[in-house]
Amino acid sequence: DAEITQSPRHKITETGRQVTLACHQTWNHNNMFWYRQDLGHGLRLIHYSYGVQDTNKGEVSDGYSVSRSNTEDLPLTLESAASSQTSVYFCASSVGRQETQYFGPGTRLLVL
Amino acid sequence: GQQVMQIPQYQHVQEGEDFTTYCNSSTTLSNIQWYKQRPGGHPVFLIQLVKSGEVKKQKRLTFQFGEAKKNSSLHITATQTTDVGTYFCLTNAGKSTFGDGTTLTVKP
Repeated sequence: DAEITQSPRHKITETGRQVTLACHQTWNHNNMFWYRQDLGHGLRLIHYSYGVQDTNKGEVSDGYSVSRSNTEDLPLTLESAASSQTSVYFCASSVGRQETQYFGPGTRLLVL
Repeated sequence: GQQVMQIPQYQHVQEGEDFTTYCNSSTTLSNIQWYKQRPGGHPVFLIQLVKSGEVKKQKRLTFQFGEAKKNSSLHITATQTTDVGTYFCLTNAGKSTFGDGTTLTVKP
């Protein structure tokens, strides 16, 4: 069955380190999204992509970057991790820009 | 930019009582989606509304889209313990924007 996976599921890192979170989907969806979820803030959009080589900044993109070299993957990189980036990160994909988004299981990141 | 307000933030009900969450936008929406997130889980799509004044039902859940396409509601009739979780609206005219969610707890 088609699916969307995230790895790692849990990560502990230190302030200043570079961290990359993986997102992989097998639906062949053009659109992929990264969100962070913090208590009291719901889900906030970090970056999104509408296709290969396309990336766009979301609401809270500072300190994060993404690249889209193929349809299946949209890795999220924290260039220099900060304690404020401790959060749960969700990846999602959709077939169309305003279609249903399918979410991965999430990655819990702790920055010490 | 587009803003989406969702109220209430929390709702505690006795099992069997009704529950409603509202989503209000500062701009006219092309469509609105609703998602449910169980504790410890990920958001799962419930429904999409597109037409002005649209009403859709899924068993005990009723979804409405306002006539002006600036607001929407999700109503659950006779809540059950399986309804617990956080309900989010999503608008994606332009950038994908979630409401902050309404967390529902149900006391048996």
